[in-house]
Amino acid sequence: EDKVVQSPLSLVVHEGDTVTLNCSYEVTNFRSLLWYKQEKKAPTFLFMLTSSGIEKKSGRLSSILDKKELFSILNITATQTGDSAIYLCAASVGGGTSYGKLTFGQGTILTVHP
Amino acid sequence: NAGVTQTPKFRILKIGQSMTLQCTQDMNHNYMYWYRQDPGMGLKLIYYSVGAGITDKGEVPNGYNVSRSTTEDFPLRLELAAPSQTSVYFCASNPPNQPQHFGDGTRLSIL
Repeated sequence: EDKVVQSPLSLVVHEGDTVTLNCSYEVTNFRSLLWYKQEKKAPTFLFMLTSSGIEKKSGRLSSILDKKELFSILNITATQTGDSAIYLCAASVGGGTSYGKLTFGQGTILTVHP
Repeated sequence: NAGVTQTPKFRILKIGQSMTLQCTQDMNHNYMYWYRQDPGMGLKLIYYSVGAGITDKGEVPNGYNVSRSTTEDFPLRLELAAPSQTSVYFCASNPPNQPQHFGDGTRLSIL
């Protein structure tokens, strides 16, 4: 059975702190690893990682994938209250040549206090 | 370009009732998906479709049905609502080799 596990499940920090969110996966026919941010409604896309060791960055957020050890991390530096959200990790699996079904982790609830 | 649109946003059903959750996208994506998200959990795949006329089961398909008669629409049907189907339902779509983009969800309560 495909499995994605995130840690920690929840995290409370103060503005300005740096956080690291973890995601490990055990799936068959792995294609890519995705990170989403979910506030009140729909998950919004952050990163898609397909190659090991290549860091992707967007502002204060960055992520990297290790396909040998089967994990990914999401870093957020200089956190702000607007970073408070649920961060979801998902493994894209199977799907022929161009699509992939997502298996999600349970999410990390990040709370940033002023 | 509205993206992925889901209706209704909220609904309360009685046990045994049926309903259809609507999902439409205007991006001409072939690939569409239905997920459910229970409190404190990640999303679980119910059904997916790789194109008009083609659907397949995901991880938790029991109690649901889907159809895909057009590229734009991918409705999800609950035939006999049960309390265990109380959840938030998300529809998503994507073009080839790109990430899935989600609608705003339908919050469904079954009492």
